[in-house]
Amino acid sequence: SQELEQSPQSLIVQEGKNLTINCTSSKTLYGLYWYKQKYGEGLIFLMMLQKGGEEKSHEKITAKLDEKKQQSSLHITASQPSHAGIYLCGADPGGATNKLIFGTGTLLAVQP
Amino acid sequence: GAVVSQHPSRVICKSGTSVKIECRSLDFQATTMFWYRQFPKQSLMLMATSNEGSKATYEQGVEKDKFLINHASLTLSTLTVTSAHPEDSSFYICSAVGRHSYEQYFGPGTRLTVT
Repeated sequence: SQELEQSPQSLIVQEGKNLTINCTSSKTLYGLYWYKQKYGEGLIFLMMLQKGGEEKSHEKITAKLDEKKQQSSLHITASQPSHAGIYLCGADPGGATNKLIFGTGTLLAVQP
Repeated sequence: GAVVSQHPSRVICKSGTSVKIECRSLDFQATTMFWYRQFPKQSLMLMATSNEGSKATYEQGVEKDKFLINHASLTLSTLTVTSAHPEDSSFYICSAVGRHSYEQYFGPGTRLTVT
């Protein structure tokens, strides 16, 4: 079965600093999703990547999918306290089921 | 945008009782709904896939008689935790997928505490 490993597990950065979160899959990714979650709340969709080498940006967040489609990174530029939360990558394991398998999660804290 | 609601947001129940959690798609028809479970400081674990009008498909290790799922309409799926025990305490999140779509829209979650 497919497994997604995220690194780091947790991260504390000073406001204004850049940071990167990685998501590595044990198998080729058919679709890779990034979500953000505030503790005790639902998930907020950030971005979805499908093609090898694809890169998408929204405001200060950029997500990339490598050419081999087994690794994705999420980069936040000039972090703000509002970026704090749990970041989860999710993968479509294929098979036309629409279901997602989630990564281990990265807890981000941004210190003012 | 697509909105998914869950009710209740929090519930406390006694051991041995059953609890029903509702997941509703408010502004679209959800052909498929998913139920996840999340333990503190951990990721989401897929429990089951619920398709409207058919039996749910459970992931390996999830007891179907323990976690009853019903998807009676295109806007409502329910998860019933039967004979709840303290180890069932968790954060339960649902998501919904619309017709001809792949994107999942997540509910705000339900925190279940079994005493």
